[in-house]
Order: sequence, then structure tokens, then C-alpha cells
Amino acid sequence: QKEVEQNSGPLSVPEGAIASLNCTYSDRGSQSFFWYRQYSGKSPELIMFIYSNGDKEDGRFTAQLNKASQYVSLLIRDSQPSDSATYLCAVNIGGFKTIFGAGTRLFVKA
Amino acid sequence: DTEVTQTPKHLVMGMTNKKSLKCEQHMGHRAMYWYKQKAKKPPELMFVYSYEKLSINESVPSRFSPECPNSSLLNLHLHALQPEDSALYLCASSQAPGSAQETQYFGPGTRLLVL
Repeated sequence: QKEVEQNSGPLSVPEGAIASLNCTYSDRGSQSFFWYRQYSGKSPELIMFIYSNGDKEDGRFTAQLNKASQYVSLLIRDSQPSDSATYLCAVNIGGFKTIFGAGTRLFVKA
Repeated sequence: DTEVTQTPKHLVMGMTNKKSLKCEQHMGHRAMYWYKQKAKKPPELMFVYSYEKLSINESVPSRFSPECPNSSLLNLHLHALQPEDSALYLCASSQAPGSAQETQYFGPGTRLLVL
């Protein structure tokens, strides 16, 4: 069974620090990877997507992909209390299917 | 504009009721999805429509019946649900069905409570 694994947390970081969120996936043929942010009681909001090995930066967010290690991460620089949420790693395994990890809860302390 | 809308926001229904959830997008996306999400769990795929045709049914019980009247609308008809069906129902859409790079955008969801 194809899986996406995340540490459930909670991950607690002080305001202004870097938050590092990690995700591993089992399907070596996966080609596209996504990070969604989900506030309690709300729907997932797309933060980043990445298709190629390496880093992709967008503002305070950097996604990192290593297909050889089947590993994708999200770095949040200058973390703010408003970043406190659950972050879902999602992997497109083809055939319209995207598998979601269980999510990592992030708390940013003011 | 990456907006997907869903109605109603909240729904309470009895086990003998029939109700429908609605989803709409005007981004020209050609794939639309229904997900179910229980508390503290990831979204679980239920159905996928591509070019208005049902492409995936993830072995969902027949008390859930999807419908795609046109490329912008997606419905989920509910009948004889069970209390364990209470969850957040999410609609999503993506531009390029079947593409390895398809990005899904979610609506705000309908929170369903079955009594």
C-alpha cells in the first residue's frame, strides 16, 4: 500500500525561528509533491508544490525534494504565531490519486 | 482566482433523510474530487470526475452518490447515512486531469453531522 509518513508532532518553535517539517513516501514513481496548511475546522490550503529534486522557495517557505531518498520537507523561516496549523504533505501517485500524510501539528510560540 | 465554493457550510441530517452537497468552480478545471475528512485524520479520496465522467470511485458505499452535471458543478447526494458518516466533506478541483503535475485546490468544506 502506498503511504505518506509524517511526524504527527506537535512541533513547537518560538516566534522568529525556522520550522522544519518532514515527509517520506513509499511510491518511488511519484512525481509531484505538495504541502497544504490546514487550520482547525478549515479546509486544506495549498502552500507549495514541487516536482524536481532540490529546493523551491516562495517567500518564507522553502520546499525540498530528494527523490532518491523519497523525502520531501518544508522549511518555514521567521515563523509567526499565524503559522500555527497542521501541515499536510501530499504526494501524487498518478491516476488522479493524491495520497495525504496524517499531518504535522505546528505551534509557534509568541 | 483559485476559488472552489461549497454549500451548505454545515448540515445536520437524520439517518432517513436525503440531502445533497454542492460544489462549484469557475477556473476551467476539468477534474473535480470529493474527499471525506474525519477529525485529526487526512482527507480520504471518495470520487474523481474527469471531463465530467466518473474516473475513480474508491469503494464508497452506495448511500453516497456523486453527480457532475457540467464542468463547473459537482454534487454529492446523500441518503440513509449512518452516524459514522459524520465528517468534513471536501470538494477539490484541478486543471489537468491525470497530469503528474496536477495541483488540487480545495473548497471550504461542508461539515456534516448525522444523527
